[in-house]
Amino acid sequence: KQEVTQIPAALSVPEGENLVLNCSFTDSAIYNLQWFRQDPGKGLTSLLLIQSSQREQTSGRLNASLDKSSGRSTLYIAASQPGDSATYLCAVSLMYSGGGADGLTFGKGTHLIIQP
Amino acid sequence: DTGVSQNPRHKITKRGQNVTFRCDPISEHNRLYWYRQTLGQGPEFLTYFQNEAQLEKSRLLSDRFSAERPKGSFSTLEIQRTEQGDSAMYLCASSFRQQASYEQYFGPGTRLTVT
Repeated sequence: KQEVTQIPAALSVPEGENLVLNCSFTDSAIYNLQWFRQDPGKGLTSLLLIQSSQREQTSGRLNASLDKSSGRSTLYIAASQPGDSATYLCAVSLMYSGGGADGLTFGKGTHLIIQP
Repeated sequence: DTGVSQNPRHKITKRGQNVTFRCDPISEHNRLYWYRQTLGQGPEFLTYFQNEAQLEKSRLLSDRFSAERPKGSFSTLEIQRTEQGDSAMYLCASSFRQQASYEQYFGPGTRLTVT
């Protein structure tokens, strides 16, 4: 059974700092990995998706890396802003036997607070 | 292109009642997923469809839960004889099979409170 762990569970940093969120998974036979952002009481917003054959993806101030063999991913946030405050979730999918990606297995998330 | 929509956004029901939620995926997305999220936890996978076919169901989906996608467009999730432990946010997501990444896009969720 796939298990996803996110460290740290919570993080509070002053505005402007660069920070790294960590994600690890137990079954390396993944199809893809997605990072999401969730604001309180809201749905999930997809930030970055890394396919199993890729090593990293970038979008603006966000960079996500994937080391499939060691079962690890990191999300790097540059020059953090108060608007980045949210819960960040990591999720992986396995290969569905009929082809394509299976349902996602999520970590519990990292609750991030950026202090003004 | 509108996003994934879910209705209702909030539902309060008494224990033992049946409830039904609806999800409308992004148009042309042929895969549709249901997840459940409790406070402080990440979402947990329940089931998913490719077109009208239900491809996989989690062990979390007890006999009281049933999901349908009759015409391969919108989907409904019904919970019969609700219990207090069913209180959670129910999330729907969709993806496009022709997009090899299978990136999932989520709706705003339906928050269920069972009293």
